[in-house]
Amino acid sequence: AQTVTQSQPEMSVQEAETVTLSCTYDTSESNYYLFWYKQPPSRQMILVIRQEAYKQQNATENRFSVNFQKAAKSFSLKISDSQLGDTAMYFCAFLRPNTGNQFYFGTGTSLTVIP
Amino acid sequence: GAVVSQHPSWVICKSGTSVKIECRSLDFQATTMFWYRQFPKQSLMLMATSNEGSKATYEQGVEKDKFLINHASLTLSTLTVTSAHPEDSSFYICSARDFGASGYQETQYFGPGTRLLVL
Repeated sequence: AQTVTQSQPEMSVQEAETVTLSCTYDTSESNYYLFWYKQPPSRQMILVIRQEAYKQQNATENRFSVNFQKAAKSFSLKISDSQLGDTAMYFCAFLRPNTGNQFYFGTGTSLTVIP
Repeated sequence: GAVVSQHPSWVICKSGTSVKIECRSLDFQATTMFWYRQFPKQSLMLMATSNEGSKATYEQGVEKDKFLINHASLTLSTLTVTSAHPEDSSFYICSARDFGASGYQETQYFGPGTRLLVL
């Protein structure tokens, strides 16, 4: 079974600064997808960024980027120029494609952006 | 990204009644949808996988007679909490599986969730 670990239950960052959220996972698969989802106080799960394991290039989406280290099974999320609206719970997730299986979620990191 | 709606957004009911929650994929077809339950400050817990045209697959410990799932079309899955009790009070979230325009970019998109309070 796959496991996803987020070792930082809570983090805070000053507005406009940069913060990195860590995620590690354990799998014997070679082909898989990794995701970061954001859950603000509204509790709507919002897709932040997606990475395919076969791609060496790290995914980026505006202020959000990942550091994907396949050999180390690490998938950290970097948020640049943090904004107050970034305050949320962030979940790292693992998915085996085309298997009909569910996501494996980490336990989440609660991020607070301080004005 | 793709849009998933969920209705109702919140519901309060009396103990012993049944509650139906709808999950719709608005701009894509979803052969597979998932139902999660989330307790405060915790991660999402998968309850069941809903497959269009076939029976749902339930996770261990989830009572299939308690949580009835119907996936009658490619855009709609429903979760019915039968004979609800206070311990069923929770936040329920659905997600729908999408493969993108290429057919290979598998992603899940989530509904906004339903807050259920059983009195």
